[in-house]
Amino acid sequence: GDSVTQMEGPVTLSEEAFLTINCTYTATGYPSLFWYVQYPGEGLQLLLKATKADDKGSNKGFEATYRKETTSFHLEKGSVQVSDSAVYFCSNDYKLSFGAGTTVTVRA
Amino acid sequence: NAGVTQTPKFRVLKTGQSMTLLCAQDMNHEYMYWYRQDPGMGLRLIHYSVGEGTTAKGEVPDGYNVSRLKKQNFLLGLESAAPSQTSVYFCASSSGGAGDIYEQYFGPGTRLTVT
Repeated sequence: GDSVTQMEGPVTLSEEAFLTINCTYTATGYPSLFWYVQYPGEGLQLLLKATKADDKGSNKGFEATYRKETTSFHLEKGSVQVSDSAVYFCSNDYKLSFGAGTTVTVRA
Repeated sequence: NAGVTQTPKFRVLKTGQSMTLLCAQDMNHEYMYWYRQDPGMGLRLIHYSVGEGTTAKGEVPDGYNVSRLKKQNFLLGLESAAPSQTSVYFCASSSGGAGDIYEQYFGPGTRLTVT
């Protein structure tokens, strides 16, 4: 069935480091792909999305490109800040649950 | 718009007690969801609803009941609370569901402790 597989954490980085969180998907169709973020003590919120192959979603300095050839939607940020410390979840529009996500901690 | 709101924010129950968690959304969304989030387990879907008057089981429905009498409200009930139901509960809503392009909007969560 359709699913996403996300890199497990935790990930600890220093401020201004480069962040990549891997996400791959399997699908019989052409799902939309999403990255959600959960800041401490809050609910999830949409970070970015892409609805078709080669689309790039971007927000708050984060980017992810929908790559059909590698069935991937990796999240990247060139220079992380302490405020980016959160849990990140990859999802698609066929999925009604979220895994454990990837916990990212950025140290000053 | 308030988005998705949840009440209460915190609650402590004794084993065997019952309670209802209320979720409300003001975005006229058709779909609503209840999740629980536990350390190391991620978010797991308890029940969901694809429209007023309809509900369906998710991944972990045992011990919970739900009702969607009004489009804007989705209630989660615990008939006889157990310590295993200690968790953070999140409600979410979306305009569409699986197979459509949708984005889920989440509430701030309810932290429930069962002693």
